[in-house]
Amino acid sequence: DAGVIQSPRHEVTEMGQEVTLRCKPISGHNSLFWYRQTMMRGLELLIYFNNNVPIDDSGMPEDRFSAKMPNASFSTLKIQPSEPRDSAVYFCASSLPRTGGGYGYTFGSGTRLTVV
Amino acid sequence: GNSVTQMEGPVTLSEEAFLTINCTYTATGYPSLFWYVQYPGEGLQLLLKATKADDKGSNKGFEATYRKETTSFHLEKGSVQVSDSAVYFCALSDTGGSNYKLTFGKGTLLTVNP
Repeated sequence: DAGVIQSPRHEVTEMGQEVTLRCKPISGHNSLFWYRQTMMRGLELLIYFNNNVPIDDSGMPEDRFSAKMPNASFSTLKIQPSEPRDSAVYFCASSLPRTGGGYGYTFGSGTRLTVV
Repeated sequence: GNSVTQMEGPVTLSEEAFLTINCTYTATGYPSLFWYVQYPGEGLQLLLKATKADDKGSNKGFEATYRKETTSFHLEKGSVQVSDSAVYFCALSDTGGSNYKLTFGKGTLLTVNP
């Protein structure tokens, strides 16, 4: 298995532009998570899906952020309009359903977003 | 709610030194506990886990024991290498329902010098 695949690896964009980050989870994993990592705040859970349905989006910072999971093999995180404070590394992770103890997550390599 | 507290970093050690990174947790029920490692420029990787009290997780020379009485899951390694330099995250799983999410600590940066 190729693991969790994120694209692009790096994105540099100008303030005000729309940014779309993409994630392909591991086949058979039914939970998908989007995280943001910065030096100041550490690792923050933005949103997670179970069976393609958003379960908890309380971590999404504001209305400029939106996430979708149209099918089991693809998810997007969109920022519109982007701002310099959105600069961070965004990680996608997927997991199997919890069965008696949990399997942990498999993380992608992340997208490093820079908004100038 | 659930929370994880890790020792503040950074931790700097010489090669072959003994490593301990402390982790304590607060949770309802009986969570599973995890250690993740993040090498520079990469995503987090599962290092080891324990799913019930007194379980010991181990991998690549690292160990951690699930201590329910002290709500702890400290990470140890007897002899660190330069290649162990990374950020280490302690995490616990939410036991609610059929979905679960991990609660992460803030991470501890480990630097091992030759």
